[in-house]
Amino acid sequence: NAGVTQTPKFQVLKTGQSMTLQCAQDMNHEYMSWYRQDPGMGLRLIHYSVGAGITDQGEVPNGYNVSRSTTEDFPLRLLSAAPSQTSVYFCASSGRGRGRENIQYFGAGTRLSVL
Amino acid sequence: KNEVEQSPQNLTAQEGEFITINCSYSVGISALHWLQQHPGGGIVSLFMLSSGKKKHGRLIATINIQEKHSSLHITASHPRDSAVYICAVYSLTGGSQGNLIFGKGTKLSVKP
Repeated sequence: NAGVTQTPKFQVLKTGQSMTLQCAQDMNHEYMSWYRQDPGMGLRLIHYSVGAGITDQGEVPNGYNVSRSTTEDFPLRLLSAAPSQTSVYFCASSGRGRGRENIQYFGAGTRLSVL
Repeated sequence: KNEVEQSPQNLTAQEGEFITINCSYSVGISALHWLQQHPGGGIVSLFMLSSGKKKHGRLIATINIQEKHSSLHITASHPRDSAVYICAVYSLTGGSQGNLIFGKGTKLSVKP
C-alpha cells in the first residue's frame, strides 16, 4: 500500500492563479481531510469528507473548494490564490474499524508559496 | 484560550534522558491522538487512546480523562527522536467525522 499520496510536494503560485492539490489513498478509507499548517499554529481543518459525494467545511474553508467523486481521491482547489494561502498543506485519511477507529494517516505535505 | 495546550513548546535533552511532554485540553473528548512530525515534514500517528496507558517501544502515552490531561514519555531518548510531537483531541462536539483539535506541538531536540 502507498498510503496517502499528495502531489505536488512544492508549488509556487502568483496571486490570482488557480491550482489543484491532489490527494489519493489506497486504504479504502471513508474519511479524508485537508489541513493547513502555519508557523506557531496547530494544524487547522480546511474541508473534510465522510465518503464519496459528501464533503463539509472545516475551520478555515474560505478560498478552497473540494469534491469527492471517488473513495480514493480528494482534491483541494484554490480558485484564486492569495498570499494568505501560503502554507504547508496536509491531506489525511482515516477508516473506521475495530481497534483502529479514527487513526489518521497523513500525506507527506505540499509546501505552497503564493507571491 | 486554546482548547489544546502543550508544554513545553521547546525541549532540548541529552541522549539517554527521560522525556515528558504534556497535553491539557478543555473540551470533552472521545479520544486523544499523539503524532510525530519529522524534520522533513511527514506526520505519523504514534498513539490513539481514550483511557489509561499505551506503550510502544520506548514511547509511553497516558491519559487522565477526569483531569483532561495526557502525557507522552520517551525513555532512553536518542537523537533520532528529535521531532515535533503533536497532541490532538477528538472533540465530542465535532461533526460526523469528529472534530480533531490540534495542539501547536512540542519541538524536541535530543543532543548526542
